[in-house]
Amino acid sequence: TQLLEQSPQFLSIQEGENLTVYCNSSSVFSSLQWYRQEPGEGPVLLVTVVTGGEVKKLKRLTFQFGDARKDSSLHITAAQPGDTGLYLCAGARYNQGGKLIFGQGTELSVKP
Amino acid sequence: NAGVTQTPKFQVLKTGQSMTLQCAQDMNHEYMSWYRQDPGMGLRLIHYSVGAGITDQGEVPNGYNVSRSTTEDFPLRLLSAAPSQTSVYFCASSTPDGMNTEAFFGQGTRLTVV
Repeated sequence: TQLLEQSPQFLSIQEGENLTVYCNSSSVFSSLQWYRQEPGEGPVLLVTVVTGGEVKKLKRLTFQFGDARKDSSLHITAAQPGDTGLYLCAGARYNQGGKLIFGQGTELSVKP
Repeated sequence: NAGVTQTPKFQVLKTGQSMTLQCAQDMNHEYMSWYRQDPGMGLRLIHYSVGAGITDQGEVPNGYNVSRSTTEDFPLRLLSAAPSQTSVYFCASSTPDGMNTEAFFGQGTRLTVV
């Protein structure tokens, strides 16, 4: 059973297009993290959202935490080939000793 | 800065063999974890530790053992390798910081069991 459902699992788009990745759960999380992973490397943290309804921006990337803290989204504006990679959402629960629950991941390919 | 170092990067085992995946961090982080990554499944937690001498099971602990004798090291032992353990293994460390805990990952160990 996947506690965090991430969609879509694969996304292939042209440079300049916009896209949104979703991360949904029936459980409440104290925080939601988004990671990006390149081939042959470990995931690297992009952002953490902790407050229901919170929106964070990182250049062309916009992250949102749902009001009920059960879901999150990642929106990329004007995607570039350098955005290609695996995007992972991960939920954390308070006082859970650093344990993270990961979604399945979204493989993004941005073609020039 | 070395961060989180995993060795080896690649390993091929025969069914039934045992081995230890090494993980070391130099950031003085209290928390350390082992995950396995399989296609379409994200990362799944195997074992984790909140400090030296303290370990606990994650989502998929069967077939794996861990111990944490120092803050820096968190080795993962495969007792009798099975083809189902073919995967990419990641070690991560983090430090408690309220709800804003960032996990730092190693580069992974790609394990094939034949």
